[in-house]
Amino acid sequence: DQQVKQNSPSLSVQEGRISILNCDYTNSMFDYFLWYKKYPAEGPTFLISISSIKDKNEDGRFTVFLNKSAKHLSLHIVPSQPGDSAVYFCAASPLNDYKLSFGAGTTVTVRA
Amino acid sequence: DAEITQSPRHKITETGRQVTLACHQTWNHNNMFWYRQDLGHGLRLIHYSYGVQDTNKGEVSDGYSVSRSNTEDLPLTLESAASSQTSVYFCASSTGPKGEQYFGPGTRLTVT
Repeated sequence: DQQVKQNSPSLSVQEGRISILNCDYTNSMFDYFLWYKKYPAEGPTFLISISSIKDKNEDGRFTVFLNKSAKHLSLHIVPSQPGDSAVYFCAASPLNDYKLSFGAGTTVTVRA
Repeated sequence: DAEITQSPRHKITETGRQVTLACHQTWNHNNMFWYRQDLGHGLRLIHYSYGVQDTNKGEVSDGYSVSRSNTEDLPLTLESAASSQTSVYFCASSTGPKGEQYFGPGTRLTVT
């Protein structure tokens, strides 16, 4: 049973516009959430994270929002650039646990 | 620079053969992980280790084994390869519960 769900397999957005990626989780013990970016033929790379004590974390063009009551987080990319075209994975870990549970990923395509 | 490497990058093997995938990290991280990536499933945890001589099963461990004899290496062995084990395999390492995982470039394994 997948505990982290990314229900949109793909997203297409025009360059310069906002990309919004969504992620839902079912395990109430998750307290740390991460987003990873993956290009073809490469390993995933860490993008941004958020702890459950926060509801927002920003890093440049990337912002992650966490709604604990809804068990939902989202990643906003503003503005979207062609180099953002990749697969994005949402991941979560419980308190004091090193393991990560990943979603199925969302493929983002940024159109010129 | 510290890094995490995987070898081979590509492997074709026959059903029933034993296969070992190598993972080597120079980050000096205690925690190491093996995942497989399949379409529609994202990254699923196979085995993980929190230190030398420590190994643990993940959610899809059947048919796989690992050993940890030093900090740098966590080889993954498929005891008797099956077609269902055709996948892309990623190794990762991390420092602690709130440390992001660093991924290797992946090994594409095909079992014929």
